[in-house]
Amino acid sequence: DGGITQSPKYLFRKEGQNVTLSCEQNLNHDAMYWYRQDPGQGLRLIYYSQIVNDFQKGDIAEGYSVSREKKESFPLTVTSAQKNPTAFYLCASSITSAQETQYFGPGTRLLVL
Amino acid sequence: AQKVTQAQTEISVVEKEDVTLDCVYETRDTTYYLFWYKQPPSGELVFLIRRNSFDEQNEISGRYSWNFQKSTSSFNFTITASQVVDSAVYFCALTQNRDDKIIFGKGTRLHILP
Repeated sequence: DGGITQSPKYLFRKEGQNVTLSCEQNLNHDAMYWYRQDPGQGLRLIYYSQIVNDFQKGDIAEGYSVSREKKESFPLTVTSAQKNPTAFYLCASSITSAQETQYFGPGTRLLVL
Repeated sequence: AQKVTQAQTEISVVEKEDVTLDCVYETRDTTYYLFWYKQPPSGELVFLIRRNSFDEQNEISGRYSWNFQKSTSSFNFTITASQVVDSAVYFCALTQNRDDKIIFGKGTRLHILP
């Protein structure tokens, strides 16, 4: 089955710790995206990538980092610089660009201990 | 600048009633794309529809229908004969031509009461 997988489903972070959220897709999509969703809020774009080895900051990139070494994978690291990381994180992909439909993974819920 | 407004924060209707979710957008571009997504309690966003600015035809898919009106910059979503499984948060989104990202509205939480 083609789709987007995210792991883990729940993640706990201690103070000062970096954590990495996984996002994998087997849809052969070029573009991938990371969003953050806070309770009762819409989605805010963290980072996006339209091609391997290239990515751009979204609206709320501070305290986050990404890599795009493979077409299928777009991991997100939440660094210790992100002071309020508790949120629901969604990964998405589209064929080539934002004008195409974005398909979403199941999400990762990050909680701070 | 582009913007999406979903003025209805939360709606509750009794099962089998029809319900319309409003979406008003702002854009200066003549070429743009509109989307609707459903977010059930599980959290994953489910794609419902994509519409480009040159296609104003209304669309119907089963119990779902969409009314796109450029004159009022609206792209409203109607569920006919609602069911409990329709309970979710629904997001409207917009992207302009050549933009790298889409803008989401804040969503409308829909409760279908049995």
